[in-house]
Amino acid sequence: LAKTTQPISMDSYEGQEVNITCSHNNIATNDYITWYQQFPSQGPRFIIQGYKTKVTNEVASLFIPADRKSSTLSLPRVSLSDTAVYYCLVALYAHYGQNFVFGPGTRLSVLP
Amino acid sequence: EAQVTQNPRYLITVTGKKLTVTCSQNMNHEYMSWYRQDPGLGLRQIYYSMNVEVTDKGDVPEGYKVSRKEKRNFPLILESPSPNQTSLYFCASSMGAAANEKLFFGSGTQLSVL
Repeated sequence: LAKTTQPISMDSYEGQEVNITCSHNNIATNDYITWYQQFPSQGPRFIIQGYKTKVTNEVASLFIPADRKSSTLSLPRVSLSDTAVYYCLVALYAHYGQNFVFGPGTRLSVLP
Repeated sequence: EAQVTQNPRYLITVTGKKLTVTCSQNMNHEYMSWYRQDPGLGLRQIYYSMNVEVTDKGDVPEGYKVSRKEKRNFPLILESPSPNQTSLYFCASSMGAAANEKLFFGSGTQLSVL
């Protein structure tokens, strides 16, 4: 399983764009990159997923360079409600193996 | 509504008293998993199940049991709870275990073992 490294915490102000980078140096060919968001006392929820280049949805964008050794979650114009922990997950399907392993995540604090 | 339901939401118990946390999903998902979350440690996988009667250990299985007799249910059993099992527990499910699957999480069970 590819190990991921993210900043432990980040601060931002309302209205700013926030970029959270995740390093996954030993990502394998079949791995996808998925980001989850978790609010206090709630379960994580899926935000965005990608394999290569750029993916955009109504919530965020995900940038993946050609070598795929890192990825950047971009949250446009954050608000106070975006304060949460963000997890980068690189999961490989094994025919019968452990997967969906989460790291400590990045705690984003959005200030007024 | 598609959802993963955990019960109870909060549980306080004493050391050694067996307990079960239930998890049910209504999405016909094959893959189900249990995580515990502790401050500074993120989510750690306890057990997972690829399908009915197919379960395997995650990162921190000691002190826990699971069963998967039906596709929709995946209970977590603590035969003899200890204080170090005080934690926030999450059940999750997905259609399968492929790399591009999306996990759906329950609302969590806050367990305190005295």
